[in-house]
Amino acid sequence: GNSVTQMEGPVTLSEEAFLTINCTYTATGYPSLFWYVQYPGEGLQLLLKATKADDKGSNKGFEATYRKETTSFHLEKGSVQVSDSAVYFCALRRKDTGRRALTFGSGTRLQVQP
Amino acid sequence: NAGVTQTPKFQVLKTGQSMTLQCAQDMNHNSMYWYRQDPGMGLRLIYYSASEGTTDKGEVPNGYNVSRLNKREFSLRLESAAPSQTSVYFCASSEVGDSNQPQHFGDGTRLSIL
Repeated sequence: GNSVTQMEGPVTLSEEAFLTINCTYTATGYPSLFWYVQYPGEGLQLLLKATKADDKGSNKGFEATYRKETTSFHLEKGSVQVSDSAVYFCALRRKDTGRRALTFGSGTRLQVQP
Repeated sequence: NAGVTQTPKFQVLKTGQSMTLQCAQDMNHNSMYWYRQDPGMGLRLIYYSASEGTTDKGEVPNGYNVSRLNKREFSLRLESAAPSQTSVYFCASSEVGDSNQPQHFGDGTRLSIL
């Protein structure tokens, strides 16, 4: 079956530090991959996506590259801000079925201190 | 630009009570989803509706029923609430047929079963 594994949090960083949140996946075929972010008290928002191998998704200074050989989609940002404090979810969606639901990782909480 | 609207935002029930969670989207999306979010487990799919008039079970459907009332609305019903159903419930919508399109989420319903 499909599954997504994320590093456990919380991840605590100082402002302007470099961020990496690891994500690996297991899926049949080549799924589309997503990072969602959830701010306190809110729903999930799409942060970035990649739909095929070697694609790089980017948004708001965050980046992630679809690595087929390592089945990974790690999230990175060069310089985090306090406003980046949130929970980050890695997710996949298979392309080979009519079902378009997402399979999520367990989420990683990021805390950025001033 | 409302997107996906969920009601209520908070609810406390007693074991055995019933309730319906409402969800509406104004993006003319065909597909709609209900997820539950539990600590350390990410989001898990309860039910989804690929299009108006169709519904299918997800990973954790037991204890729930759904109704796709029309293209805009997708409700989730708990017939006899149990403490194990204490969770945060998210509704989402997306276009059908394109796995690259993101899902759009509501802000969630926080449900406690005593």
